[in-house]
Amino acid sequence: AQSVTQLDSHVSVSEGTPVLLRCNYSSSYSPSLFWYVQHPNKGLQLLLKYTSAATLVKGINGFEAEFKKSETSFHLTKPSAHMSDAAEYFCVVSAGGYNKLIFGAGTRLAVHP
Amino acid sequence: GAGVSQSPRYKVAKRGQDVALRCDPISGHVSLFWYQQALGQGPEFLTYFQNEAQLDKSGLPSDRFFAERPEGSVSTLKIQRTQQEDSAVYLCASSPRPQDTGELFFGEGSRLTVL
Repeated sequence: AQSVTQLDSHVSVSEGTPVLLRCNYSSSYSPSLFWYVQHPNKGLQLLLKYTSAATLVKGINGFEAEFKKSETSFHLTKPSAHMSDAAEYFCVVSAGGYNKLIFGAGTRLAVHP
Repeated sequence: GAGVSQSPRYKVAKRGQDVALRCDPISGHVSLFWYQQALGQGPEFLTYFQNEAQLDKSGLPSDRFFAERPEGSVSTLKIQRTQQEDSAVYLCASSPRPQDTGELFFGEGSRLTVL
């Protein structure tokens, strides 16, 4: 069965410093992996996706993630945090032929001035 | 509309009442999903429709939960005899094609509070 584990429930960074949100996955076959972001009272928005092409995936707002099969990881990074990045981030794996998404528990990112 | 629309945005129900939550997906989207998001947790899959066919309802927590999409567009999630543990945000998502590994488009959710 497919699953994801987000290793940190809360991450706090200062504005302008790097962001690292960690995610490990479990899958019986080559997975499709995603990061979604949820701002307060807003719908979930896709940040980026990995679907077995390039292992380094670039997304919106300067975020990127690297698929590492040997480590079963798909960590999300950004070189320089902005105040508007404060939100809940979900690592997600696709299960089943119709793109059923399995979400991690989420990481709440706080960005301080 | 331009995005997935859900109504009501907020619903307060007394324990034992029935509730109905509506989802208007993006026009033409074949796939429609319902998710339940409890406070402080990630969304959990409830059920999946491909057009009007409900192909997967493995995530529905009990027989009190029922979903339909009779004409392959608007969907309704119904919860009978609500319990306090049903309090959550119910998210609807749609996508253009069933085999796509691309983006699911989510609505803003319906927040249900059961007193």
